[in-house]
Amino acid sequence: EVQLVESGGGLIQPGGSLRLSCAASGFSVSGTYMNWVRQAPGKGLEWVAIIYSGDSAFYADSVKGRFTISRDNYRNTLYLQMNSLRADDTAVYFCARQAYTSGYYFDYWGQGTLVTVSS
Amino acid sequence: QSVLTQPPSVSAAPGQKVTISCSGSSSNVGNNYVSWYQLLPGTAPKLLIYDDNKRPSGIPDRFSGSKSGTSATLGITGLQTGDEADYYCGTWDSSLSAGLVFGGGTKLTVL
Repeated sequence: EVQLVESGGGLIQPGGSLRLSCAASGFSVSGTYMNWVRQAPGKGLEWVAIIYSGDSAFYADSVKGRFTISRDNYRNTLYLQMNSLRADDTAVYFCARQAYTSGYYFDYWGQGTLVTVSS
Repeated sequence: QSVLTQPPSVSAAPGQKVTISCSGSSSNVGNNYVSWYQLLPGTAPKLLIYDDNKRPSGIPDRFSGSKSGTSATLGITGLQTGDEADYYCGTWDSSLSAGLVFGGGTKLTVL
Protein backbone atom coordinates (compact mmCIF):
# COMPACT_ATOMS: atom_id res chain seq x y z
CA GLU A 1 0.00 0.00 0.00
CA VAL A 2 1.36 3.42 -0.94
CA GLN A 3 1.67 5.82 1.98
CA LEU A 4 3.17 9.27 2.39
CA VAL A 5 3.68 10.72 5.87
CA GLU A 6 4.88 14.29 6.32
CA SER A 7 6.60 15.65 9.42
CA GLY A 8 8.70 18.60 10.52
CA GLY A 9 6.13 21.36 10.58
CA GLY A 10 5.74 23.79 13.44
CA LEU A 11 5.92 27.40 14.55
CA ILE A 12 8.89 29.34 13.22
CA GLN A 13 9.83 33.01 13.29
CA PRO A 14 10.04 35.06 10.09
CA GLY A 15 13.46 34.67 8.51
CA GLY A 16 13.93 31.25 10.05
CA SER A 17 14.48 27.84 8.47
CA LEU A 18 12.65 24.54 8.64
CA ARG A 19 13.06 21.16 6.96
CA LEU A 20 10.02 19.10 6.13
CA SER A 21 10.20 15.36 5.60
CA CYS A 22 7.91 13.01 3.72
CA ALA A 23 8.44 9.33 4.46
CA ALA A 24 7.26 7.09 1.66
CA SER A 25 6.27 3.42 1.81
CA GLY A 26 4.87 1.01 -0.74
CA PHE A 27 7.02 2.41 -3.53
CA SER A 28 10.49 3.88 -4.09
CA VAL A 29 10.97 7.64 -4.28
CA SER A 30 14.06 6.97 -6.36
CA GLY A 31 13.27 7.72 -9.96
CA THR A 32 9.79 8.97 -9.11
CA TYR A 33 8.58 12.50 -9.74
CA MET A 34 7.73 13.90 -6.30
CA ASN A 35 6.15 17.21 -5.37
CA TRP A 36 5.34 19.55 -2.53
CA VAL A 37 2.00 21.36 -2.58
CA ARG A 38 0.74 23.77 0.06
CA GLN A 39 -2.54 25.22 1.22
CA ALA A 40 -2.55 28.48 3.13
CA PRO A 41 -5.35 28.98 5.68
CA GLY A 42 -8.60 29.63 3.86
CA LYS A 43 -6.88 29.47 0.48
CA GLY A 44 -6.57 27.02 -2.37
CA LEU A 45 -3.84 24.58 -3.31
CA GLU A 46 -0.54 25.98 -4.52
CA TRP A 47 2.10 23.81 -6.15
CA VAL A 48 5.52 24.49 -4.59
CA ALA A 49 8.21 22.27 -6.07
CA ILE A 50 8.95 19.13 -8.06
CA ILE A 51 11.95 16.82 -8.16
CA TYR A 52 12.36 14.79 -11.32
CA SER A 53 13.73 11.29 -11.71
CA GLY A 54 17.18 12.68 -12.49
CA ASP A 55 17.13 14.85 -9.36
CA SER A 56 16.69 18.09 -11.24
CA ALA A 57 14.13 20.36 -9.63
CA PHE A 58 11.69 23.09 -10.52
CA TYR A 59 10.11 25.64 -8.19
CA ALA A 60 7.18 28.02 -8.04
CA ASP A 61 8.30 31.63 -8.37
CA SER A 62 7.03 32.32 -4.84
CA VAL A 63 9.64 30.02 -3.28
CA LYS A 64 12.47 30.03 -5.84
CA GLY A 65 15.82 30.72 -4.21
CA ARG A 66 14.48 30.05 -0.70
CA PHE A 67 13.23 26.44 -0.82
CA THR A 68 15.10 23.30 -1.88
CA ILE A 69 13.51 19.95 -2.65
CA SER A 70 15.61 16.80 -2.30
CA ARG A 71 15.33 13.11 -1.52
CA ASP A 72 17.21 10.36 0.28
CA ASN A 73 16.74 7.15 -1.67
CA TYR A 74 18.16 5.01 1.16
CA ARG A 75 15.65 6.41 3.65
CA ASN A 76 12.97 6.54 0.96
CA THR A 77 12.19 10.07 2.08
CA LEU A 78 11.47 13.38 0.34
CA TYR A 79 12.53 16.68 1.90
CA LEU A 80 11.76 20.35 1.60
CA GLN A 81 14.35 22.72 3.05
CA MET A 82 12.71 26.07 3.65
CA ASN A 83 14.87 29.13 4.34
CA SER A 84 14.11 32.83 4.78
CA LEU A 85 10.58 31.97 5.78
CA ARG A 86 7.90 34.63 5.52
CA ALA A 87 4.43 34.98 6.99
CA ASP A 88 2.89 34.13 3.63
CA ASP A 89 4.61 30.73 3.72
CA THR A 90 2.20 29.75 6.50
CA ALA A 91 0.32 26.73 5.17
CA VAL A 92 -0.29 23.03 5.37
CA TYR A 93 2.38 21.38 3.26
CA PHE A 94 1.55 18.17 1.40
CA CYS A 95 3.89 15.85 -0.40
CA ALA A 96 2.45 14.16 -3.46
CA ARG A 97 3.59 11.45 -5.84
CA GLN A 98 3.28 12.38 -9.47
CA ALA A 99 2.09 9.90 -12.05
CA TYR A 100 2.02 10.08 -15.80
CA THR A 101 -0.20 8.37 -18.31
CA SER A 102 -1.42 10.78 -20.94
CA GLY A 103 -1.00 13.73 -18.58
CA TYR A 104 0.58 14.48 -15.23
CA TYR A 105 -1.37 14.18 -12.00
CA PHE A 106 -0.88 13.44 -8.29
CA ASP A 107 -2.05 9.93 -7.50
CA TYR A 108 -1.06 9.79 -3.82
CA TRP A 109 -0.83 12.52 -1.22
CA GLY A 110 0.16 12.71 2.42
CA GLN A 111 -2.05 14.20 5.11
CA GLY A 112 0.07 17.30 5.39
CA THR A 113 2.12 19.11 8.02
CA LEU A 114 1.35 22.61 9.25
CA VAL A 115 3.96 25.34 9.05
CA THR A 116 3.20 28.58 10.88
CA VAL A 117 5.52 31.54 10.33
CA SER A 118 4.92 34.12 13.00
CA SER A 119 6.77 36.16 15.58
CA GLN B 1 -5.49 34.59 -7.54
CA SER B 2 -5.54 31.11 -9.05
CA VAL B 3 -4.61 30.44 -12.66
CA LEU B 4 -7.65 28.21 -13.12
CA THR B 5 -11.13 29.54 -12.29
CA GLN B 6 -13.65 27.52 -10.31
CA PRO B 7 -16.92 28.61 -8.70
CA PRO B 8 -16.36 29.18 -4.97
CA SER B 9 -19.30 27.03 -4.00
CA VAL B 10 -22.01 24.75 -5.31
CA SER B 11 -24.81 22.97 -3.52
CA ALA B 12 -27.45 20.36 -4.18
CA ALA B 13 -29.68 17.94 -2.31
CA PRO B 14 -28.79 14.31 -1.59
CA GLY B 15 -29.38 12.13 -4.62
CA GLN B 16 -29.12 15.03 -7.03
CA LYS B 17 -26.39 15.86 -9.55
CA VAL B 18 -23.90 18.70 -9.46
CA THR B 19 -21.24 19.97 -11.84
CA ILE B 20 -18.12 21.97 -11.03
CA SER B 21 -16.43 23.95 -13.77
CA CYS B 22 -12.75 24.71 -14.22
CA SER B 23 -11.84 27.41 -16.71
CA GLY B 24 -8.35 28.09 -17.98
CA SER B 25 -6.49 29.00 -21.14
CA SER B 26 -4.65 27.45 -24.05
CA SER B 27 -1.43 27.25 -21.99
CA ASN B 28 -3.03 24.99 -19.39
CA VAL B 29 -6.49 23.38 -19.71
CA GLY B 30 -6.66 23.84 -23.47
CA ASN B 31 -3.54 21.82 -24.20
CA ASN B 32 -2.89 19.70 -21.11
CA TYR B 33 -4.79 16.98 -19.31
CA VAL B 34 -6.85 17.92 -16.27
CA SER B 35 -7.12 16.10 -12.95
CA TRP B 36 -9.55 16.58 -10.07
CA TYR B 37 -9.01 16.21 -6.34
CA GLN B 38 -11.24 15.96 -3.28
CA LEU B 39 -10.08 17.58 -0.03
CA LEU B 40 -11.65 16.73 3.29
CA PRO B 41 -10.34 18.52 6.41
CA GLY B 42 -7.56 16.64 8.11
CA THR B 43 -7.25 13.97 5.46
CA ALA B 44 -4.96 13.41 2.50
CA PRO B 45 -6.30 14.85 -0.75
CA LYS B 46 -7.77 12.19 -3.00
CA LEU B 47 -7.42 11.87 -6.76
CA LEU B 48 -10.86 11.59 -8.36
CA ILE B 49 -10.23 12.08 -12.08
CA TYR B 50 -7.08 12.09 -14.23
CA ASP B 51 -6.40 12.55 -17.93
CA ASP B 52 -9.58 14.66 -18.20
CA ASN B 53 -12.03 11.81 -17.72
CA LYS B 54 -10.45 8.68 -16.24
CA ARG B 55 -11.25 7.37 -12.76
CA PRO B 56 -8.64 5.65 -10.56
CA SER B 57 -9.61 2.29 -9.21
CA GLY B 58 -11.86 2.64 -6.19
CA ILE B 59 -13.48 5.87 -7.31
CA PRO B 60 -17.19 5.25 -7.96
CA ASP B 61 -18.67 5.98 -11.36
CA ARG B 62 -20.80 8.69 -9.73
CA PHE B 63 -17.77 10.88 -10.40
CA SER B 64 -17.04 11.88 -13.99
CA GLY B 65 -14.84 14.33 -15.84
CA SER B 66 -15.08 16.05 -19.19
CA LYS B 67 -13.33 18.81 -21.10
CA SER B 68 -14.12 21.10 -23.97
CA GLY B 69 -11.66 23.67 -25.21
CA THR B 70 -10.27 25.58 -22.25
CA SER B 71 -12.90 24.41 -19.75
CA ALA B 72 -13.15 21.20 -17.78
CA THR B 73 -16.04 19.89 -15.71
CA LEU B 74 -16.36 17.51 -12.78
CA GLY B 75 -19.75 15.84 -12.44
CA ILE B 76 -21.05 14.10 -9.36
CA THR B 77 -24.33 12.19 -9.47
CA GLY B 78 -26.30 10.56 -6.68
CA LEU B 79 -24.95 13.06 -4.15
CA GLN B 80 -24.22 11.76 -0.67
CA THR B 81 -23.52 13.68 2.51
CA GLY B 82 -20.02 12.21 2.45
CA ASP B 83 -19.35 14.06 -0.80
CA GLU B 84 -19.39 17.36 1.08
CA ALA B 85 -15.84 18.57 0.57
CA ASP B 86 -13.61 20.97 -1.36
CA TYR B 87 -12.84 20.06 -4.96
CA TYR B 88 -9.88 21.26 -7.00
CA CYS B 89 -8.93 20.96 -10.63
CA GLY B 90 -5.28 20.86 -11.62
CA THR B 91 -3.17 20.73 -14.75
CA TRP B 92 0.22 21.57 -16.13
CA ASP B 93 0.77 25.07 -17.44
CA SER B 94 3.10 25.30 -20.41
CA SER B 95 4.00 28.97 -19.90
CA LEU B 96 7.54 29.70 -18.82
CA SER B 97 7.54 29.39 -15.05
CA ALA B 98 4.05 28.30 -14.09
CA GLY B 99 4.55 24.59 -13.59
CA LEU B 100 1.59 22.77 -12.14
CA VAL B 101 -1.45 24.93 -11.45
CA PHE B 102 -4.69 24.48 -9.54
CA GLY B 103 -8.09 26.09 -9.47
CA GLY B 104 -9.16 28.08 -6.44
CA GLY B 105 -11.31 25.23 -5.20
CA THR B 106 -15.06 24.70 -4.94
CA LYS B 107 -16.87 23.96 -1.70
CA LEU B 108 -19.62 21.41 -2.28
CA THR B 109 -22.50 21.52 0.18
CA VAL B 110 -24.95 18.65 0.20
CA LEU B 111 -28.10 20.22 1.60
